[in-house]
Amino acid sequence: RKEVEQDPGPFNVPEGATVAFNCTYSNSASQSFFWYRQDCRKEPKLLMSVYSSGNEDGRFTAQLNRASQYISLLIRDSKLSDSATYLCVVNIMTSYIPTFGRGTSLIVHP
Amino acid sequence: GAGVSQSPSNKVTEKGKDVELRCDPISGHTALYWYRQSLGQGLEFLIYFQGNSAPDKSGLPSDRFSAERTGGSVSTLTIQRTQQEDSAVYLCASIQTQGYNEQFFGPGTRLTVL
Repeated sequence: RKEVEQDPGPFNVPEGATVAFNCTYSNSASQSFFWYRQDCRKEPKLLMSVYSSGNEDGRFTAQLNRASQYISLLIRDSKLSDSATYLCVVNIMTSYIPTFGRGTSLIVHP
Repeated sequence: GAGVSQSPSNKVTEKGKDVELRCDPISGHTALYWYRQSLGQGLEFLIYFQGNSAPDKSGLPSDRFSAERTGGSVSTLTIQRTQQEDSAVYLCASIQTQGYNEQFFGPGTRLTVL
């Protein structure tokens, strides 16, 4: 089993739709969690950190479920500009090497 | 302030040649990472520096790959005797302090080996 798994998609949704991605992790010693966004032929950029209590930033909501070992990203009122690949990143306590998921591709169409 | 910079942005080389890729992290960032990303693939970890030391080189694909960091700042990734399978985008990222913080990525170097 891979350490961090994501559904590669693509998720193809119309503008205005709500879409959610999950990311599962295998190591229970995982300490911190992030969602990054990567546009085509660009570098990854931090979208948001994921806190234990869940957190929201505008149309984006991130949640952590430690019991089931997954994090989620919810995007409300999707925009064309949300089209990108969303990378899940997990840090475990015993390593300073973040583990990246392969990413979930989102395509928002008119 | 200035972000992470990498040079060159694009590099085309012939098979068998050596190449050197450069990364300038954000000033004051102590940790620096190199990754490789092939077209349509995820990030592949190569090497990690804390200061000038490389505690983890486990991701380097072969002994043709080496990296160094000087002055706790600039890092260079060297690929000797390049092969076509080395073609990829090489990304550098830095973190302010060792730990579980946000990584800031540079724009990458797109390497093409003919």
